[in-house]
Amino acid sequence: GQQVMQIPQYQHVQEGEDFTTYCNSSTTLSNIQWYKQRPGGHPVFLIQLVKSGEVKKQKRLTFQFGEAKKNSSLHITATQTTDVGTYFCAGNNNDMRFGAGTRLTVKP
Amino acid sequence: DAGVIQSPRHEVTEMGQEVTLRCKPISGHDYLFWYRQTMMRGLELLIYFNNNVPIDDSGMPEDRFSAKMPNASFSTLKIQPSEPRDSAVYFCASSFVVFGELFFGEGSRLTVL
Repeated sequence: GQQVMQIPQYQHVQEGEDFTTYCNSSTTLSNIQWYKQRPGGHPVFLIQLVKSGEVKKQKRLTFQFGEAKKNSSLHITATQTTDVGTYFCAGNNNDMRFGAGTRLTVKP
Repeated sequence: DAGVIQSPRHEVTEMGQEVTLRCKPISGHDYLFWYRQTMMRGLELLIYFNNNVPIDDSGMPEDRFSAKMPNASFSTLKIQPSEPRDSAVYFCASSFVVFGELFFGEGSRLTVL
């Protein structure tokens, strides 16, 4: 079945540094979604990517969907303490599979 | 809208007891999903419903787990009998379209002693 791998598992950065998390699927995806879960909270939808090679931006966050629609990345520029949390990708191929998540901590 | 509402927020029970988790989806959402989150296995899809009908329950761990959706505004996930390995956070989520943007509830944290 579909597998969604996400790396790294953890990332600790100094405030102001950039951060990137990567997601790879074993199969071609219809679309991919990204969620953020704050410590003790619930996953909150950030964005959905549908088209091959798509790039979307939300302020300091940049999301990319690979040409083959098998991989995706989330890049945060100049992290802030409010960015702390776990970022999940979720790949859709008639079955929404979440990656294991990347836990981001930010040192002020 | 109040969002997806789950209860209880926390449940501590003893092995062998029955556990019932409840969910009220966002009004107008046709899809309801139950997920389980643990450190070891991450977020796992257990089952999802479309218009109150179970569509895919292949993620349900075993016969001890059952889920129902008697109407558009209410769903339950039942574990009977519960075991310590069932300890996890159980999330309910709803959406307008299948595997579209998921709106998660705040979760039910279950501890089975």
